[in-house]
Amino acid sequence: DGGITQSPKYLFRKEGQNVTLSCEQNLNHDAMYWYRQDPGQGLRLIYYSQIVNDFQKGDIAEGYSVSREKKESFPLTVTSAQKNPTAFYLCASSVSQGAGTEAFFGQGTRLTVV
Amino acid sequence: AQSVAQPEDQVNVAEGNPLTVKCTYSVSGNPYLFWYVQYPNRGLQFLLKYITGDNLVKGSYGFEAEFNKSQTSFHLKKPSALVSDSALYFCAVRVPRTKTGANNLFFGTGTRLTVIP
Repeated sequence: DGGITQSPKYLFRKEGQNVTLSCEQNLNHDAMYWYRQDPGQGLRLIYYSQIVNDFQKGDIAEGYSVSREKKESFPLTVTSAQKNPTAFYLCASSVSQGAGTEAFFGQGTRLTVV
Repeated sequence: AQSVAQPEDQVNVAEGNPLTVKCTYSVSGNPYLFWYVQYPNRGLQFLLKYITGDNLVKGSYGFEAEFNKSQTSFHLKKPSALVSDSALYFCAVRVPRTKTGANNLFFGTGTRLTVIP
C-alpha cells in the first residue's frame, strides 16, 4: 500500500533530550512537510522540503531541525532548544508544491515531555 | 497575509439532518481551498478542494463545498449527516507561489462536528 508512515506513534522525551521523529513515504512525492498540532490552534508549519537536499523553515522552526537526504524520508529532530515540545506532530507529502495539489498526511506522532 | 477562519469550534447536528461547517478566508490573490477531516489520534484525510471552475465542489463520503468569492467563504456541507461523520474538520487555503517562498497550506483552527444519533 502506498502512503506515509510516521514512527513512533507515541514518544516520551525527558527535558534536555533531543528526539527524532521518523517520516517515510512511498508515494514518490517531491514535497514533504512537518506540521505541529496543538489544541485550538490548527496546524502550524515547522519545515518543508521541495526536493532532496533542500528544505526551508516554516512558521515555527525554532528548536527543530530536519534533513532530506532521500526522497522518501524527512525526519524531524526536536531539540532541547524547543521549550514547549509536547504536541501532536504530522508529516505530509504532495506531488509537488503546485498550489492546486493536495497534501497527504501520516498518522501522526504524539510527543510528550516527562 | 493568508488566513483562514472557522468561526465555530463545535457543531452539533442530529443524524439524518443536513450539516454545514463554515470557513472564511483572507488571501491576496486567487485562493485554492481545501477541506480535511481528522479522526481521534489520526492524521488528516483529504475531502475535497476548489481550484477553479464550478463553485460547487463534490468530494469524498458525500461531502460537498461551495466557493463564494463575494463572501470569501468555502463552507462544507452534507445533505444527511451520519454518526460516523463525527470528527474534527479543517479548512485550508493556499495561494500560488510568492517571490519569497512556497505554496504552503494555511489551516484554520478546526471545527469539531458531533452527529447525535
